[in-house]
Amino acid sequence: GAVVSQHPSWVICKSGTSVKIECRSLDFQATTMFWYRQFPKQSLMLMATSNEGSKATYEQGVEKDKFLINHASLTLSTLTVTSAHPEDSSFYICSARRQGAVNTEAFFGQGTRLTVV
Amino acid sequence: SQKIEQNSEALNIQEGKTATLTCNYTNYSPAYLQWYRQDPGRGPVFLLLIRENEKEKRKERLKVTFDTTLKQSLFHITASQPADSATYLCAPYNFNKFYFGSGTKLNVKP
Repeated sequence: GAVVSQHPSWVICKSGTSVKIECRSLDFQATTMFWYRQFPKQSLMLMATSNEGSKATYEQGVEKDKFLINHASLTLSTLTVTSAHPEDSSFYICSARRQGAVNTEAFFGQGTRLTVV
Repeated sequence: SQKIEQNSEALNIQEGKTATLTCNYTNYSPAYLQWYRQDPGRGPVFLLLIRENEKEKRKERLKVTFDTTLKQSLFHITASQPADSATYLCAPYNFNKFYFGSGTKLNVKP
């Protein structure tokens, strides 16, 4: 299967600082990447859909100015949590679909554990 | 609004038995549906995908059914093993997005 890599796997930051999470498709090109957030014992909540070369589409209730998404190439999307606060502490996971693929599965990264202190 | 429901209670079964997990969805018609496995602290791992025109899909000990009339998918693991213990998530796909159910935790006891 295709490989999606996230970096870092975990990060601890101080309240008020910004954190950038990278999502890379290692062996395929991804036109579309998805960003999810998962709180303990809960399911994955879709935050936004990232399209290469265009603005991300955010789900209702997700602050686009707080969660900045950039999809500058077909293999890299980044999520920046700006002015992070303790309530932003969560497990952030990205997924990607192959470029040009129709009705196919999405592959997930290993996730990034963010802790804001 | 779209809603995806999976059994929130853990499913406990004996090794060797068949585990059956349910995914029900309402208020939309997915073009296809995926099942994933998630272990604690890890990202989901893709297992199977079934399209709306398919009734059943199999892969080794796994079987998925998709009933678009009932708006339901069933996920079966035959000859279950303790290593199958994990949380299983369903993700219907529509309008270029994947939404996930809450997941069902499966515990296979030796």
